[in-house]
Amino acid sequence: SQQGEEDPQALSIQEGENATMNCSYKTSINNLQWYRQNSGRGLVHLILIRSNEREKHSGRLRVTLDTSKKSSSLLITASRAADTASYFCATAGGADGLTFGKGTHLIIQP
Amino acid sequence: SQTIHQWPATLVQPVGSPLSLECTVEGTSNPNLYWYRQAAGRGLQLLFYSVGIGQISSEVPQNLSASRPQDRQFILSSKKLLLSDSGFYLCAWRPGLDGEQYFGPGTRLTVT
Repeated sequence: SQQGEEDPQALSIQEGENATMNCSYKTSINNLQWYRQNSGRGLVHLILIRSNEREKHSGRLRVTLDTSKKSSSLLITASRAADTASYFCATAGGADGLTFGKGTHLIIQP
Repeated sequence: SQTIHQWPATLVQPVGSPLSLECTVEGTSNPNLYWYRQAAGRGLQLLFYSVGIGQISSEVPQNLSASRPQDRQFILSSKKLLLSDSGFYLCAWRPGLDGEQYFGPGTRLTVT
C-alpha cells in the first residue's frame, strides 16, 4: 500500500519563485527520501533525511522532517524551467523497498 | 561508476502472452535489487525485492514473478499477461540495507 501522500497533487508557479511540496506518512520510518521523475523517465534521487534529522539542504533543495506529525516538506528555491517534473516522497522502514506517495506534478512557467 | 540497464524500453504484448523484462547492474557487487510498477499518473508500487542470488521477496500477490539468476541480474516474468499488467516497470538497486535507491530507465509495457 502507498504510505506517503504528497500535497498538492499539482503545482504551477512562475520561474524564479519557490515551490513547496508536502508529504505525510503513516508508520515509523528509518528515513524519508525525495525523488524527481521527468516525464516517461526513471526516478532520480534528490535527498535523504534520516529519522533523527529535522532539516537538510542540498543546493536549492531544503527538506524538513517532523516525525511527531509524520510529515515532510520539500522546498525548491529560485525555480527553473528544468525543475518541471513529478516529485515523490518515499519512506524506508528496513531492508525492503521504498513506499512511495502518488507524487506532486510541478510545472514551472517561463 | 555504477550503471543500471533495463530492456526493452517499450513493449506491446497481447493478453495471454508471456513476459520477460531484464535488469542488470554494472560496477557493484551484491546489490539489493527491486522491481516497481507505476500505473499512469500514480506513484510506484513495490513488486519484488532481492537481497541475494535466488532470494526473492514478493510484496503483492499478482500475475508476475521475479528471479535473480546472477548477482547483478534481476528478471521480471509472467506466463500469461493480463490487461491490468500494463504500466511502467522500473528496476532499482541499493548498495546496502538502507539509503537511496538508483533507478533504471524503465520499461513501458502495454498489454492489448
